[in-house]
Amino acid sequence: SQQGEEDPQALSIQEGENATMNCSYKTSINNLQWYRQNSGRGLVHLILIRSNEREKHSGRLRVTLDTSKKSSSLLITASRAADTASYFCATDSWGKLQFGAGTQVVVTP
Amino acid sequence: DAGVIQSPRHEVTEMGQEVTLRCKPISGHDYLFWYRQTMMRGLELLIYFNNNVPIDDSGMPEDRFSAKMPNASFSTLKIQPSEPRDSAVYFCASSLYIATNEKLFFGSGTQLSVL
Repeated sequence: SQQGEEDPQALSIQEGENATMNCSYKTSINNLQWYRQNSGRGLVHLILIRSNEREKHSGRLRVTLDTSKKSSSLLITASRAADTASYFCATDSWGKLQFGAGTQVVVTP
Repeated sequence: DAGVIQSPRHEVTEMGQEVTLRCKPISGHDYLFWYRQTMMRGLELLIYFNNNVPIDDSGMPEDRFSAKMPNASFSTLKIQPSEPRDSAVYFCASSLYIATNEKLFFGSGTQLSVL
């Protein structure tokens, strides 16, 4: 079963807009990770946030973590067509990294 | 480093045939993972190795699936006999330390179609 669940399942925005997606999980975690998957490719790690952190930035990415609500959000600012991809959150469960179903983001020029 | 290398990139086979997927992890990485991705079930962890030793194979769906890691630079996932429901994209990933505290590096995957 999947530990993390992303919301929304799909998101369509225009270039320059911000994209926000959320991840909810069920059990306590040590950290939460976000990955991107371009069509037909493997997943690429974006950012890792530890359970004692509340917010983290990496370039145009901003990740928040609320352990009390068991949720995380990924914000992509000033989106570009190249950001078109599926985005997955991943949480550790019993020592294993488990992925959610993903949010499919389409950025149109 | 070339990253995690998987072969073949695509595999089409008939039901009942044996399928072998191959993976070369990033040099120096101690952990290797096999995932399967389908539309219905998303990304599922099948098995992972630490220093060539299988640690957890609870995700392997059936006895038809087996995985080996004879050395630090090579792993195989074998399906025998294959069935149409095995059709999926199979990913290999590696990490320096235990995945729960470290990012994974994924290969490009093997698209398997069982007819």
